[in-house]
This record gives sequence, structure tokens and C-alpha cells, in this order.
Amino acid sequence: SQKIEQNSEALNIQEGKTATLTCNYTNYSPAYLQWYRQDPGRGPVFLLLIRENEKEKRKERLKVTFDTTLKQSLFHITASQPADSATYLCALSNYGGSQGNLIFGKGTKLSVKP
Amino acid sequence: EPEVTQTPSHQVTQMGQEVILRCVPISNHLYFYWYRQILGQKVEFLVSFYNNEISEKSEIFDDQFSVERPDGSNFTLKIRSTKLEDSAMYFCASRTQGGARATETQYFGPGTRLLVL
Repeated sequence: SQKIEQNSEALNIQEGKTATLTCNYTNYSPAYLQWYRQDPGRGPVFLLLIRENEKEKRKERLKVTFDTTLKQSLFHITASQPADSATYLCALSNYGGSQGNLIFGKGTKLSVKP
Repeated sequence: EPEVTQTPSHQVTQMGQEVILRCVPISNHLYFYWYRQILGQKVEFLVSFYNNEISEKSEIFDDQFSVERPDGSNFTLKIRSTKLEDSAMYFCASRTQGGARATETQYFGPGTRLLVL
């Protein structure tokens, strides 16, 4: 079955810098990959979805890349703010299709210091 | 903006008791899911539901678990005889159907924190 690794458990950066989070998967390339934000005690909140035929997706200060050769997605937050502090989860479809359940990584806890 | 809601937000129960967790998915969504997250661990898939039947379930979703869509709006998860290890946050999620405006995005509710004593 698919496995996901989010390399850093925690990432500490200074306000205004760019945060870069990594997500690697091990087996087949999924049809799409998603990034979620999770605050303590809350449910995951959808941020961005990128499909296998897309190299890059942007939304305001967020950018996601998807490299199916490296089996890797990078998630960037530019001009980071303390309010961006949260755990960021990478998720992808279990079977590479569009109807399967999601498999989540353990997440990277981002702390943005003022 | 429409959102998934869940009740109760917290539930404390004794081991061996039955619990029912409730969810109201987004109204035009047709795929429904339950996930759980044990404290400090990753979000894990339990079950998916479409067209009034289970479409997929994980190893975690054993005979103690069941799901139901009793009416047009609610989606429930029942644990028949709770165990200590069932203590976790339980998240409901929903997704719209395919088509020209299809999206694979699953929208999550705020969760129910279940504590089994």
C-alpha cells in the first residue's frame, strides 16, 4: 500500500521567511495530492490540490509543486506570519484514483516566530 | 460557506458502552467518510460511504463499527462496545460527486473527541 513521509516533524522559521515543507510517497503515483492545515484539536482544513499532470499550483502565499519522477511534493508558504503556525498534512488517494480514501502523512508542525 | 458539522464535540464513555457519533455532511455532497486520529498520531481512514452503502473500509473498521445514513442529512458512526484504544478524535468528511465541476477534495468536520474510560 501507499506510504507517505513528511520529512520534518517540526520546522521553526522567522516571520517573513519562506517555509518549505516536503512530502514523499513510496509507491504508485497518485492521481492527485492534497495539502491540509490542522490546528490543535481541530479538523484538517483543505488548502490546495495538485493533479499528477500539474507541476505547480498557487493560491495567495501558498505554492505546491508535484514531481512524479521524484515522488515528491513541496509546499511553500512565502512571507510567513505567526498565524501560519500549525501542522500541515500531506494527503493522497490510496489507490491513485479519484474516489479512494485519503492516506495522510504525520504532518509537519510549523512554528513562525515574530 | 457550507461546512461539515459534527456532534457531540466531546464524548466520555465507559469501556463496553455503545457510542454514536453524528455528522451532517455538506448538503450536495454524495461521498461520506470517517477518519480517526489518536492523540499525537496521523489521521487514519476508517470507512467511506456512497449510495447508501459502504464503498471501502480499513482494517480498523471491524465488526464493532457501523455507519448509517438514517435520513437525508445525517451520517452516523456507531461503536458497539467501546475499548480503551478507541479513544481518539473522530472526523467526518464529505466530497461532491464527479462531473464537470468535480473535485476530489474532502472537507472535514471539526471532530468529536471520544474518551473511553
